[in-house]
Amino acid sequence: SQKIEQNSEALNIQEGKTATLTCNYTNYSPAYLQWYRQDPGRGPVFLLLIRENEKEKRKERLKVTFDTTLKQSLFHITASQPADSATYLCALVLPYTGTASKLTFGTGTRLQVTL
Amino acid sequence: DVKVTQSSRYLVKRTGEKVFLECVQDMDHENMFWYRQDPGLGLRLIYFSYDVKMKEKGDIPEGYSVSREKKERFSLILESASTNQTSMYLCASSLWGRGRGEQYFGPGTRLTVT
Repeated sequence: SQKIEQNSEALNIQEGKTATLTCNYTNYSPAYLQWYRQDPGRGPVFLLLIRENEKEKRKERLKVTFDTTLKQSLFHITASQPADSATYLCALVLPYTGTASKLTFGTGTRLQVTL
Repeated sequence: DVKVTQSSRYLVKRTGEKVFLECVQDMDHENMFWYRQDPGLGLRLIYFSYDVKMKEKGDIPEGYSVSREKKERFSLILESASTNQTSMYLCASSLWGRGRGEQYFGPGTRLTVT
């Protein structure tokens, strides 16, 4: 079955450094991959979507890479700030039923940015 | 801005009760989804709908049903609540792609079944 692995241990980094989060998957080749941010007690917020034919996508301080050979996506936050502290979820888009697809989420990695 | 609202932030129900969770989106999105989120298990898809009156089962539909009579509203029904349905329930909507596109989530309903 499809498996998505995100580091379950929290990532602690110092303000101003680059945070790098990893998403590894097995047993499938998704056409799209998405990243979300989730704060405690709130719903996830969409950040970036990357397609299988795109190696890299950027949005302000965020960068996502998608390596379909390694079956891995990396999510980078440059010049990190305490306000970036949250849980970050990766999600694979998989064909599901008929013409519909579904997102399969990883369990997320908690990022803590300290002063 | 897309806005997805859910009828309650917190809900406490007794075992055996019928529970209704309501979700409304204001951006004319075609697709709507219901997930539950549990520690260590991540978000799991319960049901989704890509058109009015259409519904598709997700990964864990047992014990749940849904209704979509209007485009903006998607309801999740727990026919007979059980303690293992205690969870955070999240509704989402998306404009395109029948599940491929980015999803916009509501704030969640934390349901406790006693």
